[in-house]
Amino acid sequence: AQKVTQAQTEISVVEKEDVTLDCVYETRDTTYYLFWYKQPPSGELVFLIRRNSFDEQNEISGRYSWNFQKSTSSFNFTITASQVVDSAVYFCALQRGSTLGRLYFGRGTQLTVWP
Amino acid sequence: ETGVTQTPRHLVMGMTNKKSLKCEQHLGHNAMYWYKQSAKKPLELMFVYNFKEQTENNSVPSRFSPECPNSSHLFLHLHTLQPEDSALYLCASSQAYDADTQYFGPGTRLTVL
Repeated sequence: AQKVTQAQTEISVVEKEDVTLDCVYETRDTTYYLFWYKQPPSGELVFLIRRNSFDEQNEISGRYSWNFQKSTSSFNFTITASQVVDSAVYFCALQRGSTLGRLYFGRGTQLTVWP
Repeated sequence: ETGVTQTPRHLVMGMTNKKSLKCEQHLGHNAMYWYKQSAKKPLELMFVYNFKEQTENNSVPSRFSPECPNSSHLFLHLHTLQPEDSALYLCASSQAYDADTQYFGPGTRLTVL
């Protein structure tokens, strides 16, 4: 069975602080994909990143960075120097690398960045 | 229009009404999805269409009826809904059904009175 756990329900930080959102996943597949999506108050899920299970290189995109560790089944997301516009719900998701392309979502982490 | 659009953005309906949600993707994708997002619950996949054919129905009650006339349009027909069906309904599309990135629309916020 596939499962994604985001243990942090809510996180509050002050602007310019760094914040890490945790994601732990479960799957028996050897090929799979991991995603992060951002959901601002407007409701739309905004795609942030997709990683496949064979690529454990960390990735940085501006203030965003992702740490993928297969040994701990984790795919954590760090925002450096957070800004008020980063306030949103962030979802981690898992997708099997087979014909079953459904996304298995975590429950999300509500991030609030205070000015 | 770009990306994935959904109309209406907000909908209030009584339990005896019939209404439809519309989704349109402008990305040239071949797969489309309906998700339900309720408060305090993970996103739930409802239906999947691949090249206009329904490939997945995730045990959704028959009061929700999807329709996919072509690869760009997806509808969700609603009838005799219950208050617990109140939720954000999200549409998504992807280039292919198998392990491809899904792009989401802004959702329809549905309230059933």
